[in-house]
Amino acid sequence: RKEVEQDPGPFNVPEGATVAFNCTYSNSASQSFFWYRQDCRKEPKLLMSVYSSGNEDGRFTAQLNRASQYISLLIRDSKLSDSATYLCVVGNSGGYQKVTFGIGTKLQVIP
Amino acid sequence: EAGVAQSPRYKIIEKRQSVAFWCNPISGHATLYWYQQILGQGPKLLIQFQNNGVVDDSQLPKDRFSAERLKGVDSTLKIQPAKLEDSAVYLCASSDSSGGRSYEQYFGPGTRLTVT
Repeated sequence: RKEVEQDPGPFNVPEGATVAFNCTYSNSASQSFFWYRQDCRKEPKLLMSVYSSGNEDGRFTAQLNRASQYISLLIRDSKLSDSATYLCVVGNSGGYQKVTFGIGTKLQVIP
Repeated sequence: EAGVAQSPRYKIIEKRQSVAFWCNPISGHATLYWYQQILGQGPKLLIQFQNNGVVDDSQLPKDRFSAERLKGVDSTLKIQPAKLEDSAVYLCASSDSSGGRSYEQYFGPGTRLTVT
């Protein structure tokens, strides 16, 4: 089983739609969780951290489910500019900070 | 604040040749990462430095790849000799490793390597 698993998509959604991605992780001792955004031919950029209680940033909501070992990202009212690949990142601390990236989920918002 | 700098941005070499990439992290960031990203995949960690010491190089193909971070600041990644499957984007990232922000990584623009 991979450490971090994501559906690569693509998810094709119309403008204004709500879309959700899930990401599962295998290490139950994982401590930190993030979503990064990567535009085509660009470097990844931090979108948001994922906290235990869930957190929201504008149209974006991130949730953590430790029991089932998954995190989710919900995007409401999708914009054309949301088209990108969303990378799930899981962090562990075993003497040093170790992070693992998922394969990424590609989102294409269509007019 | 200046971001992570990388050079060159693009490199085309023939197989069996050598190549080196350079990275200058954000000032004050103790942790530096080198990733390999093949088209359609997520970044794969090659090596992680804490200051100038290596903390993880488990996925670095040590028969051909090497990296160093002298004086705990900038770093170089070398491939010698290159293979066709090394064609990828090589990303450098840094983080400040302090408190709760230690996992937040800032990436450079990457070096796109094509091996022919």
